[in-house]
Amino acid sequence: SQQGEEDPQALSIQEGENATMNCSYKTSINNLQWYRQNSGRGLVHLILIRSNEREKHSGRLRVTLDTSKKSSSLLITASRAADTASYFCATDRGNTGFQKLVFGTGTRLLVSP
Amino acid sequence: NAGVTQTPKFQVLKTGQSMTLQCAQDMNHNSMYWYRQDPGMGLRLIYYSASEGTTDKGEVPNGYNVSRLNKREFSLRLESAAPSQTSVYFCAIRSWSDSYEQYFGPGTRLTVT
Repeated sequence: SQQGEEDPQALSIQEGENATMNCSYKTSINNLQWYRQNSGRGLVHLILIRSNEREKHSGRLRVTLDTSKKSSSLLITASRAADTASYFCATDRGNTGFQKLVFGTGTRLLVSP
Repeated sequence: NAGVTQTPKFQVLKTGQSMTLQCAQDMNHNSMYWYRQDPGMGLRLIYYSASEGTTDKGEVPNGYNVSRLNKREFSLRLESAAPSQTSVYFCAIRSWSDSYEQYFGPGTRLTVT
């Protein structure tokens, strides 16, 4: 079964607005990653947050992690039409030196001009 | 998706036919993965190879076999295709350095009729 569940399943916003998507997971993790998938393409890594971190920024992306609630959120600020994609969280529970990611079900983001 | 190539891009099979999906990388990474993605779902791990010469089952291995031919190549074989194997298949790689991200290929879209 999949580790992560994303919420909402779909999100539609206007350019310039912020987009927030959430991820919940079930077991303890080493780190949590967010990936983007454009339609018909492979996944692209966006950002990683380790289990001992609470917040991380990268450009217009902000990720938070609450290990007590087993949840994470991804915030995209000042969204652009080019941000239209599906976003997946992935948790890493693997042993040190090897990684097996377990992916969530994804949030489909539509940013309208 | 630079560095990870997959062939073919599209394939249609009849039930019971066999085929091999090919994955090759030029990034000299140790770990390679095969995932499947069904409509509206996240990725599920089929098989993985932590390093050359080793392979292990993932979450959904039934109906598949793999071969880690060398460090560059990791193939996925369907011996007797079933309609339930209709999916998009992604190969991914990762190094054993501190970078935890996985790099994905462009995918193979497989339809089994």
